[in-house]
Amino acid sequence: KAGVTQTPRYLIKTRGQQVTLSCSPISGHRSVSWYQQTPGQGLQFLFEYFSETQRNKGNFPGRFSGRQFSNSRSEMNVSTLELGDSALYLCASSLTSGSAYNEQFFGPGTRLTVL
Amino acid sequence: QQQVKQSPQSLIVQKGGISIINCAYENTAFDYFPWYQQFPGKGPALLIAIRPDVSEKKEGRFTISFNKSAKQFSLHIMDSQPGDSATYFCAAGPGNTGKLIFGQGTTLQVKP
Repeated sequence: KAGVTQTPRYLIKTRGQQVTLSCSPISGHRSVSWYQQTPGQGLQFLFEYFSETQRNKGNFPGRFSGRQFSNSRSEMNVSTLELGDSALYLCASSLTSGSAYNEQFFGPGTRLTVL
Repeated sequence: QQQVKQSPQSLIVQKGGISIINCAYENTAFDYFPWYQQFPGKGPALLIAIRPDVSEKKEGRFTISFNKSAKQFSLHIMDSQPGDSATYFCAAGPGNTGKLIFGQGTTLQVKP
């Protein structure tokens, strides 16, 4: 079974631009969560989607948004990029949401560099 | 209330030794405590996880010890191997959502 795939793997943007990252969950998984990983802040939860609905949201500004499609694939968008948005963006998929033991499987991440 | 504190920040262990990483949480609503292993250039990989209804869970060389009253849990890696050299993250969260709160990570180096 293929794992979580994320595209692109690397991205370089300049301040003020916007970016869209894509995540394909493990086949059969319906929940997708996004995390930002930086050396200073570590792994921080961005948002979770299940059945095309945002279920949870972390403490990030409105410039960070996401969506999920009917095939469970998810995208996240960051508008008006800032230097501090440089990070590894990780997507994690799980079978369902609302499970008492919600194992999450991470993709390799997209490395975003903002110049 | 949402923090998970992890220690130590880095750890050096000789091959065959025991590696111990500790985490403490504040939110008593958390009921799912996974540990992840991350190698450079890779995403975190789930190692082992525990729920608060048990005090210990063992899978191979990896053991989680859980102390509900102290709100602490730890990862023990027995017979540590150079291949275990990686960054380890503890996490906590309510098991009914995808929202996990991660510790800051521990970089483990196992010397041959």
